[in-house]
Formats: sequence, C-alpha cells, structure tokens
Amino acid sequence: DSGVTQTPKHLITATGQRVTLRCSPRSGDLSVYWYQQSLDQGLQFLIQYYNGEERAKGNILERFSAQQFPDLHSELNLSSLELGDSALYFCASTKESSYNSPLHFGNGTRLTVT
Amino acid sequence: ILNVEQSPQSLHVQEGDSTNFTCSFPSSNFYALHWYRWETAKSPEALFVMTLNGDEKKKGRISATLNTKEGYSYLYIKGSQPEDSATYLCAFPSSNDYKLSFGAGTTVTVRA
Repeated sequence: DSGVTQTPKHLITATGQRVTLRCSPRSGDLSVYWYQQSLDQGLQFLIQYYNGEERAKGNILERFSAQQFPDLHSELNLSSLELGDSALYFCASTKESSYNSPLHFGNGTRLTVT
Repeated sequence: ILNVEQSPQSLHVQEGDSTNFTCSFPSSNFYALHWYRWETAKSPEALFVMTLNGDEKKKGRISATLNTKEGYSYLYIKGSQPEDSATYLCAFPSSNDYKLSFGAGTTVTVRA
C-alpha cells in the first residue's frame, strides 16, 4: 500500500458529463501529480501541484482542470467528457517537488465514458 | 517534448535466466532517472532513483546502471522469477520544469 488514496476506483458516465476524481497524498507529502493512461498508451503527465500551487503542466486539455486544497488533497475535474477520455487516471505524491523524489502512486481511477 | 525511449517493448524470459533492457534519454541537462515496476492490476512502484553518472543501484535480484554522458540506463534482472513479470518504466524529469516524463515501458514475461 503506497499510502496514496484515490476515489472512486471506477466511474462510468456518459459523453458530455462532468466528473471529479479525488486524490489524498501520503501523509507528509506536499506534491501531487496526475497522470493519464489511455488504451495502448503510456503514462501521460497531466499536471503537478506542490503545497497548493501548480508547478508543472503537461498536455492537459482545456476541458480538464485540477487543484490542490489546503489539506493537500487534490481533485481532477474532467468536463464535457468524450469517448476518448476513457482512461486510467493515476495520482502520485512525493514529499518534495524534487527530481530526486520517487513517485508514490495511488491505485488509479478507471473512467469509462459511454 | 522529451524523448524517453525504452527497448525492447517486450521480452519473454525463461525462469532462472537473466535479462536486461534499456532506457534512453537526452544526455544534456541531466537531473535524475527513475525506474518503476508496474505489475498487472496494480499501480507503478518505484524501484530506483539514479542521479550520478556511473551510479549502480540494487534491490534484490534487480539492479540498474546509469550512463548520463551517453544517455542510457540498463535494468538487469538476475535469475528471473515469475513474480518479476511486469512492465518496467523509466522516467526522466524535464530540465525546464518538474514534469516527469515516462517511457512506454518494457514488458517482461517470465515463463516457468
């Protein structure tokens, strides 16, 4: 158990809808990363937060947004969902925002858009 | 966009055999190189974070080496066991920001 909690585990929704994925980092970790794994694709970096502030942004769609709250949990909001948004979304946390810190991954949220 | 490339894409190993595979990354502005193991139906788990040229890390039967000058890292599995079956990912942080870019992985299948 990595100590990173993601909810829900599974989510099935229709095109055009909006969903929120939640991540609680390991105790003491200040940095949260979000990754997307679509079918036949590797882990694609979406966004990173450190202590409530956005630190790095990947190829995150404008329909997607995220934030990290004062209690350090993070939420990824996906709106106007399309079939292609179906994927496994991972959250990972580290203590610091440092290249040397290994990522600790949650178990992921599997999103299915129908 | 950083090019982190892993080869081969997949390999099959007989139980007891040793194997190795490669992660290639841009050799300029090196910061660190991460290795992760991703077992089916689980989440990726960190194996090593390597920072220095010539670095060697070991965890049980798995070890890794790093050559930052030529931009590659090898991961070795000695005496492969069925439980070593997984996808092994390497990741490389961008020199411009904190983005950690992952390679596509090498999927190892160990046959009993």
